[in-house]
Amino acid sequence: LAKTTQPISMDSYEGQEVNITCSHNNIATNDYITWYQQFPSQGPRFIIQGYKTKVTNEVASLFIPADRKSSTLSLPRVSLSDTAVYYCLVGAVGSASKIIFGSGTRLSIRP
Amino acid sequence: GAVVSQHPSRVICKSGTSVKIECRSLDFQATTMFWYRQFPKQSLMLMATSNEGSKATYEQGVEKDKFLINHASLTLSTLTVTSAHPEDSSFYICSASGGRGMNTEAFFGQGTRLTVV
Repeated sequence: LAKTTQPISMDSYEGQEVNITCSHNNIATNDYITWYQQFPSQGPRFIIQGYKTKVTNEVASLFIPADRKSSTLSLPRVSLSDTAVYYCLVGAVGSASKIIFGSGTRLSIRP
Repeated sequence: GAVVSQHPSRVICKSGTSVKIECRSLDFQATTMFWYRQFPKQSLMLMATSNEGSKATYEQGVEKDKFLINHASLTLSTLTVTSAHPEDSSFYICSASGGRGMNTEAFFGQGTRLTVV
């Protein structure tokens, strides 16, 4: 399982774009990159997943360079409700694939 | 999206008693479920992998006789914390994946806050 490295914490302000970068130097060929969001006392919630290049959905974008050794989660125009812990996970897709969580990034949004 | 439901959301029990936590996949069949434990300000720690119809696979350092896992059907897995002690107080989370082509992400329950007094 590829190990991931993220900043422990980040601060930003409402209305700003926030980019959280994750390093995964040992990513395998069949590994996908998935980001989850977790609020206090709740289970993690899926944000976005990608394999290469760029993926965008209604809440975020995921940028993955050609070598796939890192990825960047981009949250446009954050609000106070985006304050949460964000986890970058790398692994093979499939119903039996274990998901191992790294330390995550604690994002704090200020007014 | 798919829904995974945990019950109860919070429970307080006396030291020495056992507590059962249920994890249900509401709209898909989950051949595999995972159980995590999370202490305050820490990340989720995988405890075990629950496989329908077979024994669970425990991560290193997790006592299988203390944390009993049963996956009797494709929609239900249970975690029983036996002879609970205050140090077992934690946030327990289950996840499930698989079924109907949903093999690209895992879905998490809302978690169970266990307090042992």
